[in-house]
Formats: sequence, structure tokens, C-alpha cells
Amino acid sequence: GQNIDQPTEMTATEGAIVQINCTYQTSGFNGLFWYQQHAGEAPTFLSYNVLDGLEEKGRFSSFLSRSKGYSYLLLKELQMKDSASYLCAFMDSNYQLIWGAGTKLIIKP
Amino acid sequence: GAGVSQSPSNKVTEKGKDVELRCDPISGHTALYWYRQSLGQGLEFLIYFQGNSAPDKSGLPSDRFSAERTGGSVSTLTIQRTQQEDSAVYLCASSLLGDLSGANVLTFGAGSRLTVL
Repeated sequence: GQNIDQPTEMTATEGAIVQINCTYQTSGFNGLFWYQQHAGEAPTFLSYNVLDGLEEKGRFSSFLSRSKGYSYLLLKELQMKDSASYLCAFMDSNYQLIWGAGTKLIIKP
Repeated sequence: GAGVSQSPSNKVTEKGKDVELRCDPISGHTALYWYRQSLGQGLEFLIYFQGNSAPDKSGLPSDRFSAERTGGSVSTLTIQRTQQEDSAVYLCASSLLGDLSGANVLTFGAGSRLTVL
């Protein structure tokens, strides 16, 4: 079967670093996405990984290990505006996106 | 348009009534998706359009749900005889092509929040 899991909620301090983990199980894999969603707003694209390794994009980085079914999103130099939900999704063999429930990130001053 | 536009942003209705939710995708995007987002759950796939045809309707929860797309642009999701369990945020997304990849990501609308009393 297919499933995907990420923590429900995390808290971090402004200026710090936080890592949001995502684990998945699937027989067919065509990449993993991270989206950011502020409350009441549209999810917006952050990153896409299809090969193993770390992809860095400014303060945000995303990592993928296909053999372990594991990804993480790393946010550095946290700002209050980073308070949002972070959605992890993998693309299965039918190019269907399977979404996690999202991780609500709370940033404290 | 510049982004994906959805209307209404909020809809409160009584159980048993029909509702229509509208999505205006980004101009030129051939692929359009409807998702349902409930509290504490991942995005639930409902239906996918490529142009005006829907090759994948597998996610529609029941025959009370239907969707259409006209002119390769605007889409309408209709829920008949609404039930309380239909309460959720309905998100629409579009992409340039139907083959999702890192170069062809989904652009979402802000959603239509449906509350069935």
C-alpha cells in the first residue's frame, strides 16, 4: 500500500533552524514535493526532489533518501512569517500526488 | 489570470441543498485538479481534467459529486444534497501540462470553505 507521514505540529524559535521530516511508503515513486500553506491561503510550491541528496534554495533546503523513504525540509534563520503548515507529497507511479496531513510550524519570538 | 481564482471563498449551506464551487485556472494551463482538505487530513484528490475531459474521476467520494470543465478553462464542482461530512475546504489547482514533474508544479487557489449545517 501507500502511506505518508509527517509530524502534526512543531515549535521553533525565531532565528533558529528547524527540520521537518516526512516518511513515505510506495511501490512506485516519481518525486517528492514540499509546499507551504499559510492559514486560509493557497499552498505554494517550495521544492521538488527526485534524486537522492540535498537541494538548497536560500533559507530552505530539502533532502531525499529514496532507499529509506525519507525526506526532510530544513528551514534556517527562521522568521515569524515562516509560521505556516508544510505539506509533503510524493508522486506515485501513476503520477498521482499522495499528500501528508501537513506539519503546522509555530515560530516563537 | 495571474493566479488560480476560486469562488465563493466561503459558503454556508443547509444539509440537503446543492452547491456549486467555481475555479478559474491560470490562463493556458491545460491540467486542472480538485482536492478536498479536511482538518488534520492530507489533501484528498477528487478529480483531474486534461483540457475538458476528466481521465481520472477516481477520487469523487459519491455520485452526489460531479465536476465539469468548459472551454479548457473554468471548472465547476457541484455537490448535490450536501451532507455535514462534506464540510471542508475545496482546493483547485492547475498546471501547464498533465505530466507533473519538478518543472511542472501545481499552482493552487486559496480554496472554497464549505460549511454544511
